[in-house]
Amino acid sequence: EPEVTQTPSHQVTQMGQEVILRCVPISNHLYFYWYRQILGQKVEFLVSFYNNEISEKSEIFDDQFSVERPDGSNFTLKIRSTKLEDSAMYFCASSEAFRRETQYFGPGTRLLVL
Amino acid sequence: AQSVTQPDIHITVSEGASLELRCNYSYGATPYLFWYVQSPGQGLQLLLKYFSGDTLVQGIKGFEAEFKRSQSSFNLRKPSVHWSDAAEYFCAVGGDSSYKLIFGSGTRLLVRP
Repeated sequence: EPEVTQTPSHQVTQMGQEVILRCVPISNHLYFYWYRQILGQKVEFLVSFYNNEISEKSEIFDDQFSVERPDGSNFTLKIRSTKLEDSAMYFCASSEAFRRETQYFGPGTRLLVL
Repeated sequence: AQSVTQPDIHITVSEGASLELRCNYSYGATPYLFWYVQSPGQGLQLLLKYFSGDTLVQGIKGFEAEFKRSQSSFNLRKPSVHWSDAAEYFCAVGGDSSYKLIFGSGTRLLVRP
């Protein structure tokens, strides 16, 4: 069964450093998403991406965040200058279409900012 | 405001007992509803979903959920719990007007042998 994959599974970084989280969505999916879950809190939507453009973003997704589909298979989330409060589990998801479609989630990347 | 409430943070049941996890939502448009399960170290796996039609939906692993529009609820049930069902369960809502899913805070299920 096709799956969303994410790398790395864990990342530790120093405050102020840039990090790139990588995702490989399911191959025939066209819509891509990033969510995050701070420890003990809800899963929160960050951004959705379709046709090489951001289709929707939350207030969390400020200028320090960016997303990119650098090739036909990868989807990345970049955090330019990490802060302590960026420590969280980051989930990538993808869906075949937008309306009435399931978002399939990857296993997550646990990011720890020191 | 759009939100999902899962009132039970933890639930403990004995193996073989029945289970009901509660989910209430607030959503301004026609809701699409989902239940996901997260085992330790794993991602979010879809259990079941409701878009329209029959309000009782069947999912994987013997789970079902019932959409009750009048109560704004989408409770998850299983008639007989197995030890492998121990995990965290998330209810989520989405719709046609937005790309995002809104998640509840989750319910952690513990299963007593």
